[in-house]
Amino acid sequence: GESVGLHLPTLSVQEGDNSIINCAYSNSASDYFIWYKQESGKGPQFIIDIRSNMDKRQGQRVTVLLNKTVKHLSLQIAATQPGDSAVYFCAEWSYQKVTFGTGTKLQVIP
Amino acid sequence: DGGITQSPKYLFRKEGQNVTLSCEQNLNHDAMYWYRQDPGQGLRLIYYSQIVNDFQKGDIAEGYSVSREKKESFPLTVTSAQKNPTAFYLCASSTTGGRGEAFFGQGTRLTVV
Repeated sequence: GESVGLHLPTLSVQEGDNSIINCAYSNSASDYFIWYKQESGKGPQFIIDIRSNMDKRQGQRVTVLLNKTVKHLSLQIAATQPGDSAVYFCAEWSYQKVTFGTGTKLQVIP
Repeated sequence: DGGITQSPKYLFRKEGQNVTLSCEQNLNHDAMYWYRQDPGQGLRLIYYSQIVNDFQKGDIAEGYSVSREKKESFPLTVTSAQKNPTAFYLCASSTTGGRGEAFFGQGTRLTVV
């Protein structure tokens, strides 16, 4: 069936370093891929999205890469800060609904 | 301020009782969603609605029911048929038409005692 999944459940990164969070997906028909950030006890917040016909999109300190050949999505966070500590979810938009992956916990080491 | 509001934040329920979780949005979004999140897990789709008076089952609809009588409101009822209802419930809304940026409420943590 359709699924969106993550390679690593927990990622520890030194403050100031770059973070890379990876995601695999299986539904080739998805229109958009989205990254969300969820802090403890709160609802997810939208970070950035990428349309399926693009391979890269940049935001403020974040870059999303899409490789449709291997069905892989990644989120790069530059100069990781303590405030970036959270769980990050990749999600896909298709058939008028959003399907989420399991999530990766990012821990920033001061 | 525009946003999406869930209430209550914490809810306790006795086994065998139905309980309804509230979700209201003033973003003028057509689409609304309910997700369930278990500890250390991702979000699983329970129900979603693209328009008033219409809704579809998600991946884990059994034991849940919804209504969409107004554009602004999408209440979720957790029925006694739901075998393991203790979880964090998240409501979201979005525009329709493709982009998929969903705005989430702060969630309701339901505990069955």
